[in-house]
Amino acid sequence: AQSVTQLGSHVSVSEGALVLLRCNYSSSVPPYLFWYVQYPNQGLQLLLKYTSAATLVKGINGFEAEFKKSETSFHLTKPSAHMSDAAEYFCAVANAGGTSYGKLTFGQGTILTVHP
Amino acid sequence: GAGVSQSPSNKVTEKGKDVELRCDPISGHTALYWYRQSLGQGLEFLIYFQGNSAPDKSGLPSDRFSAERTGGSVSTLTIQRTQQEDSAVYLCASSLVYGGGYDLANTGELFFGEGSRLTVL
Repeated sequence: AQSVTQLGSHVSVSEGALVLLRCNYSSSVPPYLFWYVQYPNQGLQLLLKYTSAATLVKGINGFEAEFKKSETSFHLTKPSAHMSDAAEYFCAVANAGGTSYGKLTFGQGTILTVHP
Repeated sequence: GAGVSQSPSNKVTEKGKDVELRCDPISGHTALYWYRQSLGQGLEFLIYFQGNSAPDKSGLPSDRFSAERTGGSVSTLTIQRTQQEDSAVYLCASSLVYGGGYDLANTGELFFGEGSRLTVL
């Protein structure tokens, strides 16, 4: 069984400050890991994904995440927050390999608020 | 179409009624997924279609839930005898499958629709 824990259901930062959203996973097989963003009344949009290539993954809108197997973590960061980053962020895990298809296990989500 | 289209965007129904939710995936996407987003449960996988067949329907919560896909395109999620706990946003997603087949590293990203918000009174 797989699971994802996102530490902090709400994170608040000032515009220009570092964004750090935490994600820890549990998986008995090598994982694929994802971060999705959901803006109000919209569907989920993929920010970035780890699929066993480089452990530091760069995504859209200046976000990046680092896969740390020893810590079972996949934290999302952005050096400087922008007002437009305010949204809900979801970390997700899937089985690596031939049976993974699109069956993702999601974390509970973290709502990011950006203050001027 | 340009993106995954879902209808209706909002549905309010009475307990015990049946509802149908529709998903029109991105043209050419052979894989289609239904997820449910609800308070307290977060995002849950419901069912996966590859073409018109559903290799994995393990996430359907009860036999009141069913889904079909026709012509390798449009999918319908049907909930019979709705209950209040069925209230949620039902999200549909689609993706390409190519290269090594089912491996998510090859399938590309999932493209999600905006969801159908179901409220059962």
